[in-house]
Amino acid sequence: AQKVTQAQTEISVVEKEDVTLDCVYETRDTTYYLFWYKQPPSGELVFLIRRNSFDEQNEISGRYSWNFQKSTSSFNFTITASQVVDSAVYFCALSPNTGNQFYFGTGTSLTVIP
Amino acid sequence: ETGVTQTPRHLVMGMTNKKSLKCEQHLGHNAMYWYKQSAKKPLELMFVYNFKEQTENNSVPSRFSPECPNSSHLFLHLHTLQPEDSALYLCASSQDTGGPYSNQHFGDGTRLSIL
Repeated sequence: AQKVTQAQTEISVVEKEDVTLDCVYETRDTTYYLFWYKQPPSGELVFLIRRNSFDEQNEISGRYSWNFQKSTSSFNFTITASQVVDSAVYFCALSPNTGNQFYFGTGTSLTVIP
Repeated sequence: ETGVTQTPRHLVMGMTNKKSLKCEQHLGHNAMYWYKQSAKKPLELMFVYNFKEQTENNSVPSRFSPECPNSSHLFLHLHTLQPEDSALYLCASSQDTGGPYSNQHFGDGTRLSIL
């Protein structure tokens, strides 16, 4: 099965708090790609990161960081010192290397309260 | 400016109408996608085109008919839709399909309401 699970439907944090969005995936492929997208209220999904299955190095980009753990099939996303502009729906996605399929999770709606 | 433009932004139609959604990308990409986004559900990939050829059709009902005349344009023709087809329809493009070329750039979507 190919599947992405984002168990957190909605999260609210107070500005400047850190927050972690969970993503767990299932795939039978050994080579695959994982993504995070942000969907602000305007509707357009914005690409944040792509990670291939052979690269388990964690990545940091400003206040954003990603923790890829193949052993637990997780690709979690942490925002440090959250800001109101971070309020959006965040989607995790999986694309196996074979075929042209993309599997998205149901998204996590993040609200950052000033 | 996203590089992927979708029109119209909003569409209300009756079940017997025929309408088309349009997507245009200005990024020089070769792959284009249609997704359906319904509340509380994952984005559903509907169709994939690569170099104008359809490579994926994820069991989409025939009342949705895609058309890709060139790598920059993608249409979704709609006819005799059902109320459950009301959703946000998103178009995306990527340099290519698969692997390191698959970062997708999305449009703002068309909010479709079926009366």
